[in-house]
Amino acid sequence: RKEVEQDPGPFNVPEGATVAFNCTYSNSASQSFFWYRQDCRKEPKLLMSVYSSGNEDGRFTAQLNRASQYISLLIRDSKLSDSATYLCVVNRGTGGFKTIFGAGTRLFVKA
Amino acid sequence: GAVVSQHPSWVICKSGTSVKIECRSLDFQATTMFWYRQFPKQSLMLMATSNEGSKATYEQGVEKDKFLINHASLTLSTLTVTSAHPEDSSFYICSAQDRGLGNTIYFGEGSWLTVV
Repeated sequence: RKEVEQDPGPFNVPEGATVAFNCTYSNSASQSFFWYRQDCRKEPKLLMSVYSSGNEDGRFTAQLNRASQYISLLIRDSKLSDSATYLCVVNRGTGGFKTIFGAGTRLFVKA
Repeated sequence: GAVVSQHPSWVICKSGTSVKIECRSLDFQATTMFWYRQFPKQSLMLMATSNEGSKATYEQGVEKDKFLINHASLTLSTLTVTSAHPEDSSFYICSAQDRGLGNTIYFGEGSWLTVV
């Protein structure tokens, strides 16, 4: 089992739809959590950090549930420009600091 | 603007030659940088963790003598692909950890390597 697992993709949604991505992590010592967005043939870019209290940035809402070791990303009112791969990223500090990437979930938003 | 700069953006080299890729943190000091490789339609694969002033830590299956990493300063890490072969052609990305910002990881723009 991978240390960070994401929903398999791709997700195909129409413009304006709400879409949710899920991510689970297996190491309870994980300390910090992020969502990154990667466009085709480009480097990943930080979308948002994820906090236990939940955080929102415009149309994007991220949630963390430490008890269930679960992270989510909600995108409301999807735009064509949201089409990308979304990566769940987890930092952990035990056994040597390490950043673990999920395999990513591909999103296609269509007109 | 970019906080991590990677150079070159793309490079074509002949089989058997060596290629150096640079990764610089622009706005912060990075004691730790990371090097990844990504093949088309696949996820990022961590190759090694570069630690300033000490040896890099390589992931299982990554040849340290083939992928030489040097992290001589707090703002610069380099990856040298030695004796490159066509199968080394890939997208190489570096990232740097900003410990002053909750250990947020910032990525360089990536380097496309084509070995012919």
